[in-house]
Amino acid sequence: EVQLVESGGGLVRPGESLRLSCGASGFTFTTYAMHWVRQTPRKGLEWISSMVGTGGRTFYADSFQGRFTISRDNSKNILYLQLNSLRDDDTATYYCAKGSEYSGSSHIDFWGQGTLVTVSS
Amino acid sequence: IQLTQSPSSLSASVGDRVTITCRATQGISSYLAWYQQKPGKAPKLLIYGATTLQSGVPSRFSGSGSWAEFTLTISSLQPEDFATYYCLQVNSFPLTFGGGTKVEIK
Repeated sequence: EVQLVESGGGLVRPGESLRLSCGASGFTFTTYAMHWVRQTPRKGLEWISSMVGTGGRTFYADSFQGRFTISRDNSKNILYLQLNSLRDDDTATYYCAKGSEYSGSSHIDFWGQGTLVTVSS
Repeated sequence: IQLTQSPSSLSASVGDRVTITCRATQGISSYLAWYQQKPGKAPKLLIYGATTLQSGVPSRFSGSGSWAEFTLTISSLQPEDFATYYCLQVNSFPLTFGGGTKVEIK
């Protein structure tokens, strides 16, 4: 059974950093691309970033390039998202998601339960 | 590539046929997926490749379309289908989602 369990969310002040983690199980981690998507009531679902199965290639939405960094530890089956210079409008539920194929541009076939990040002074 | 879903919300009764449209600002072949999301839960994959039903999803859900116009149809709405539905294009980066369609009980 595929499982994705996010952690690392919480309350932070503007300008601070946070690292989200996503533990994966139930599938061969290196065979699939992984994604980060966030959701807010105002903007709905927003794709943030993707990384191919072995971690060689990454892709980012322009809005997050340079501020957020995706990475993965294939030895531990963990996906990460480093969030820097956080702003109020980064407040959202952040989802880790599994791609259907190795390449980044594959549809998402499974989502984690999400972790809430709140940015407020 | 922007995706526009319509309508943004609809009210329907159990047993109704429901159709949701997703239009892309450029052709995306069949690289479109549909998701269902219930309050407080993660999205769930319903359809991929525009027309392929994900394993385990009831056959009352179907997808059609190609290039730039796509449709999700629920042939006979069931109580558990009241939710918000989203489309996602994976033809090219950046991946983009539609704005969602909320299906409510009439």
